[in-house]
Amino acid sequence: DSGVTQTPKHLITATGQRVTLRCSPRSGDLSVYWYQQSLDQGLQFLIQYYNGEERAKGNILERFSAQQFPDLHSELNLSSLELGDSALYFCASSVGGIRTEAFFGQGTRLTVV
Amino acid sequence: QKEVEQDPGPLSVPEGAIVSLNCTYSNSAFQYFMWYRQYSRKGPELLMYTYSSGNKEDGRFTAQVDKSSKYISLFIRDSQPSDSATYLCAMSARSEGNTPLVFGKGTRLSVIA
Repeated sequence: DSGVTQTPKHLITATGQRVTLRCSPRSGDLSVYWYQQSLDQGLQFLIQYYNGEERAKGNILERFSAQQFPDLHSELNLSSLELGDSALYFCASSVGGIRTEAFFGQGTRLTVV
Repeated sequence: QKEVEQDPGPLSVPEGAIVSLNCTYSNSAFQYFMWYRQYSRKGPELLMYTYSSGNKEDGRFTAQVDKSSKYISLFIRDSQPSDSATYLCAMSARSEGNTPLVFGKGTRLSVIA
C-alpha cells in the first residue's frame, strides 16, 4: 500500500458528462501529480500541484481541470467527456522540494460509453 | 525524438535468468532516475531511485545510470515468475518543487517457470 488513496476505483459514464476524481496523498506529501494511462500512450503527465498551487502542466486538455485543497487532497475534473477519454487516471504524491520520487495510487478506471 | 525511449518488449525469460531493462533519454537536465513496476491494471510501484550517475543495489535489483551516454538500466537477478510485470523508467530534472516525472512507455516482462 503506497499510502495514496484514489476514489472511485471504477467509473462508467456517458459521452458529454462530467466526472470528478479524488486523490488523497500520503501523509506529509505536498506534491500531487495526475497522470493518464491509455493502452497506446503510456503514462502521460497531466498536471502537478505543490502545497495548493499549480506547479507544472503537461498534456492536459482544456476540458480537464484540477485543484489541490488546503488539506492537500486533490480533485481532477473531466468534462464534456469523449470516448477517447477512457483510460486509467493515476494520482501520485511526493514530499516535494528536491525529492522527486513519486508514489502512486491504484488509479481510477474511467470508461466513457 | 521522444524525451525518454524504452523498448516495449515483450521480453520473455526463463525463471532464474538475469534480466536487463534499459532506457535512453535526450534531456541532459535529468538528474533523478527511477524504476517502477506495474502489475496489470494496478498503480506503478517504486522499485529504485537514484540520483545522478552510478549504481544502486537493492536485493535482486540493481539500477545503473550513465549520464554521459544518457542511458539507464535495471538488472534483475534470479528472476521469478512474480517479477512478471511492466517496468517503467522515469526521470526528472532538479527543480525545487517543480519536478514532474517523465516516463518511458514501459517494457513488459514475462518470467516463465
